[in-house]
Amino acid sequence: NAGVMQNPRHLVRRRGQEARLRCSPMKGHSHVYWYRQLPEEGLKFMVYLQKENIIDESGMPKERFSAEFPKEGPSILRIQQVVRGDSAAYFCASSPSRLNSGNTIYFGEGSWLTVV
Amino acid sequence: DAKTTQPNSMESNEEEPVHLPCNHSTISGTDYIHWYRQLPSQGPEYVIHGLTSNVNNRMASLAIAEDRKSSTLILHRATLRDAAVYYCITSTNFGNEKLTFGTGTRLTIIP
Repeated sequence: NAGVMQNPRHLVRRRGQEARLRCSPMKGHSHVYWYRQLPEEGLKFMVYLQKENIIDESGMPKERFSAEFPKEGPSILRIQQVVRGDSAAYFCASSPSRLNSGNTIYFGEGSWLTVV
Repeated sequence: DAKTTQPNSMESNEEEPVHLPCNHSTISGTDYIHWYRQLPSQGPEYVIHGLTSNVNNRMASLAIAEDRKSSTLILHRATLRDAAVYYCITSTNFGNEKLTFGTGTRLTIIP
């Protein structure tokens, strides 16, 4: 039973390039969450999506960042025109349904973005 | 989400039980309590979660106070692989559908 799969695990981008991070949720899970962890800091919520819908994007920076979870395929976190401050670990998590039904969320191994 | 308070760090000897405390005095009656841990350079790992009754699984036990204002994660026999940052989080049952991570407790295991 595969867990949450993220790729790439490590990504290096030059300033101004685009970064695309992909997340395949656990089988049967239709809810996806993205978190960011800056070096030596805690995990910060970015966005919560269900299939084809953004439910909560209160943690997403207003510019350059976007996320989607299409009907088919993985969830994508897209960072345009990356800057050095975007260097961080980006974690995806998934759950089978809403948290208010007693579920919890399961994390992937993360994607480490380095901007040079 | 109810705010949680955890000690910044704890130490424990290898092969001994570890009790990691968490205070959540503003928890509501329908909020769940979740515990995760994060090893260096890895994603957060689910440990256990519960609502009112104590919970056990292969990794740990969760003891929830009768008034639910606090809980304790119990590792029955610590190993070096249990050295990690442990996060206690509450999730509200209505609205706000995300888990908000605090700073957690950094657990050091002494060989």
